[in-house]
Amino acid sequence: GDSVTQMEGPVTLSEEAFLTINCTYTATGYPSLFWYVQYPGEGLQLLLKATKADDKGSNKGFEATYRKETTSFHLEKGSVQVSDSAVYFCALREGTYKYIFGTGTRLKVLA
Amino acid sequence: DADVTQTPRNRITKTGKRIMLECSQTKGHDRMYWYRQDPGLGLRLIYYSFDVKDINKGEISDGYSVSRQAQAKFSLSLESAIPNQTALYFCATAPSASTDTQYFGPGTRLTVL
Repeated sequence: GDSVTQMEGPVTLSEEAFLTINCTYTATGYPSLFWYVQYPGEGLQLLLKATKADDKGSNKGFEATYRKETTSFHLEKGSVQVSDSAVYFCALREGTYKYIFGTGTRLKVLA
Repeated sequence: DADVTQTPRNRITKTGKRIMLECSQTKGHDRMYWYRQDPGLGLRLIYYSFDVKDINKGEISDGYSVSRQAQAKFSLSLESAIPNQTALYFCATAPSASTDTQYFGPGTRLTVL
């Protein structure tokens, strides 16, 4: 079945460093792809999404490009802040209702 | 006010007890979901509902049941709680449009002793 694999954490960076969190997927069709962020004690929030190949999702300085040829949707940010410390989940939407989540990557940004 | 609310936020119970977790939403969405989150496993789908009369099992429904009392309310029950049901439980909602995302509640942390 469909699946999502993302890099294990934790990822620890200094403030203003460049961030990449890798995400790859397997799917039989053409899923929509998502990045969610979970701050401590809170539920998941949508960070960005892309619905077709070559689409780029972006929000709050984060970006991810839907790469069908490499089945990837890597999350990037040019300069992280302490406030970006959270757990990041890659996910895909399969068909009309089912969402499949990766295991999450914890990011810690040090001042 | 939050669009998706969950009660209780924290619960500690004993093995064999019946537990109900409640979810309410003001977003007007038809679709509602229950997930559990375990360390290293991400989120796994327990049950989902497309409307009041349409309820479906997810990948890990054994030991759980649900009730969709209204469009806005979706409850998850553990009939006889066991320790490996200790987890963080999230409710989520979604509109029916095929490319839209989900909106999550703040979660319920359940501990079964």
